[in-house]
Amino acid sequence: GAGVSQSPRYKVAKRGQDVALRCDPISGHVSLFWYQQALGQGPEFLTYFQNEAQLDKSGLPSDRFFAERPEGSVSTLKIQRTQQEDSAVYLCASSLPRRLAASGEQYFGPGTRLTVT
Amino acid sequence: GNSVTQMEGPVTLSEEAFLTINCTYTATGYPSLFWYVQYPGEGLQLLLKATKADDKGSNKGFEATYRKETTSFHLEKGSVQVSDSAVYFCALRGPYGQNFVFGPGTRLSVLP
Repeated sequence: GAGVSQSPRYKVAKRGQDVALRCDPISGHVSLFWYQQALGQGPEFLTYFQNEAQLDKSGLPSDRFFAERPEGSVSTLKIQRTQQEDSAVYLCASSLPRRLAASGEQYFGPGTRLTVT
Repeated sequence: GNSVTQMEGPVTLSEEAFLTINCTYTATGYPSLFWYVQYPGEGLQLLLKATKADDKGSNKGFEATYRKETTSFHLEKGSVQVSDSAVYFCALRGPYGQNFVFGPGTRLSVLP
């Protein structure tokens, strides 16, 4: 498709359940980012991939959060043993590599709204 | 570390009023600066950007100038419309890093 797509758009999980959130970046975008956006806040960085390599995971809040991009395209963010504080919108963004786009503007998907009950 | 501060909302204006949303940043070196907009029920969309000092980004009647001396990137529009009602996020990307740092967002409501 033309833009970044994410699925599911909404997810309700019981506390303690595992969830998996999917991101399909724009074709040809080698850089992929995950952000967490709490209600009424700006997005906060979680992790970054260049192709299949996870180059920065400094924003992941705990070891319950895990992301992968095994073939350098689709990415999955997994949250194990979900907690109520994990409730947020999870945004995926993709971009061209910095050497091809100096400003490195990022294109965002619509997000997955996760509610942990 | 890098950070972005923007004026708290909500901001409520009448149609055709002048808009300013303040944004200041802290960063090492020379970051790239962005304004993103989030319309109700939609994802973040790039509104405008500037990559070096004194650059002016503009789009859809919105403008922002990269001011290094004041570390600011204030968003302005001369005459807002009801359709401009949205949440506006100021963001930066550091010169050496990859990820964006966002401000908390400013909600704008424009009344007819």
